[in-house]
Amino acid sequence: SQTIHQWPATLVQPVGSPLSLECTVEGTSNPNLYWYRQAAGRGLQLLFYSVGIGQISSEVPQNLSASRPQDRQFILSSKKLLLSDSGFYLCAWSSQGAETQYFGPGTRLLVL
Amino acid sequence: ILNVEQSPQSLHVQEGDSTNFTCSFPSSNFYALHWYRWETAKSPEALFVMTLNGDEKKKGRISATLNTKEGYSYLYIKGSQPEDSATYLCAFISNFGNEKLTFGTGTRLTIIP
Repeated sequence: SQTIHQWPATLVQPVGSPLSLECTVEGTSNPNLYWYRQAAGRGLQLLFYSVGIGQISSEVPQNLSASRPQDRQFILSSKKLLLSDSGFYLCAWSSQGAETQYFGPGTRLLVL
Repeated sequence: ILNVEQSPQSLHVQEGDSTNFTCSFPSSNFYALHWYRWETAKSPEALFVMTLNGDEKKKGRISATLNTKEGYSYLYIKGSQPEDSATYLCAFISNFGNEKLTFGTGTRLTIIP
């Protein structure tokens, strides 16, 4: 069966510090991978998605970036965090050509 | 920008009562509509994937209908139980071929014992 992991679960970072959130998927190959953010009082916003290694599409302009160094690994990064980066970050995967997305446990990020 | 709206934003329902809420989405370029349930401290979990106009899906006490011509879907919960308390999200996929979900802001349902 497929599983998706995210870490860390919770993170408190100062403004201006770097960020690296990691997501890995097991039990499937060549998945579509997604990063979402839920800011306080708002819905889920798609940040990045990837259909293959090294292929990243960005949905909104921001100071975040994503990378996919391996087939089942998706990393969300920032060189300098802003206060507005606080939120709940979810990684998700889906099979190529199918639409149901399966979500990881999430990372709660607080930027102070 | 695709506009997906859900109403109401929040809802309190007495245990045992039935309830429903709405998801509105663009009626053009429709490909699929998803419903997810998001319980506190857990990950969103897929409930239904709906693709055909007039489709009705059921999972236990939860069902959903789809009207793609007018751009709405209803989610129904019959005989609400405390474990139904969660945020219910709908998500729209267009036929642009990129398999991206556009989520609504959700309906937060609280069941009162």
